[in-house]
Amino acid sequence: NAGVMQNPRHLVRRRGQEARLRCSPMKGHSHVYWYRQLPEEGLKFMVYLQKENIIDESGMPKERFSAEFPKEGPSILRIQQVVRGDSAAYFCASSPPGLAQETQYFGPGTRLLVL
Amino acid sequence: KQEVTQIPAALSVPEGENLVLNCSFTDSAIYNLQWFRQDPGKGLTSLLLIQSSQREQTSGRLNASLDKSSGRSTLYIAASQPGDSATYLCAAPTSGGSYIPTFGRGTSLIVHP
Repeated sequence: NAGVMQNPRHLVRRRGQEARLRCSPMKGHSHVYWYRQLPEEGLKFMVYLQKENIIDESGMPKERFSAEFPKEGPSILRIQQVVRGDSAAYFCASSPPGLAQETQYFGPGTRLLVL
Repeated sequence: KQEVTQIPAALSVPEGENLVLNCSFTDSAIYNLQWFRQDPGKGLTSLLLIQSSQREQTSGRLNASLDKSSGRSTLYIAASQPGDSATYLCAAPTSGGSYIPTFGRGTSLIVHP
């Protein structure tokens, strides 16, 4: 059973471009979480999604950031008009439905660098 | 709002030492607490999950304890090895019934031969 997969692993964008980060959860997992780790800071929650639904986006910046988890395909974190402050590692985690939601399995992350 | 603090921020020890990593949290109405390991450039690996009804959990050379009343957890690493070098993160639920964890900034551990 493959783990949580994220791609790309590294992404370089110039200011003003769009960044699309993809996350494929573990097989059988229907819950996806996105986190951001800024340099010298801890891991911060951004958004929690189930298939076709956003459950909690309290950690997501109000502008330029959006996330989706369609019925088919990976979850996508989209950052429009990137700025240098968006440079960070973005981690995705997944969990199965039910009580096992307590344990999240993390992907290797996407390192975004904005020039 | 949950706040998680980890002490020390960094630790460098010779191989073979027994270590204690500390984690404190402000909202003690939690139902579990989790310890993770993060290797440079990699994702997080779950080490131990302690339910609120438990006082400790053990896995190999790792032992984690939880004291909800004092808002503290400790991760004990016995007979440390160079392969233990990594950043160790503590995470507690953001609020009482939440599945969303609040992470500490971690303890960066180096075990040298």
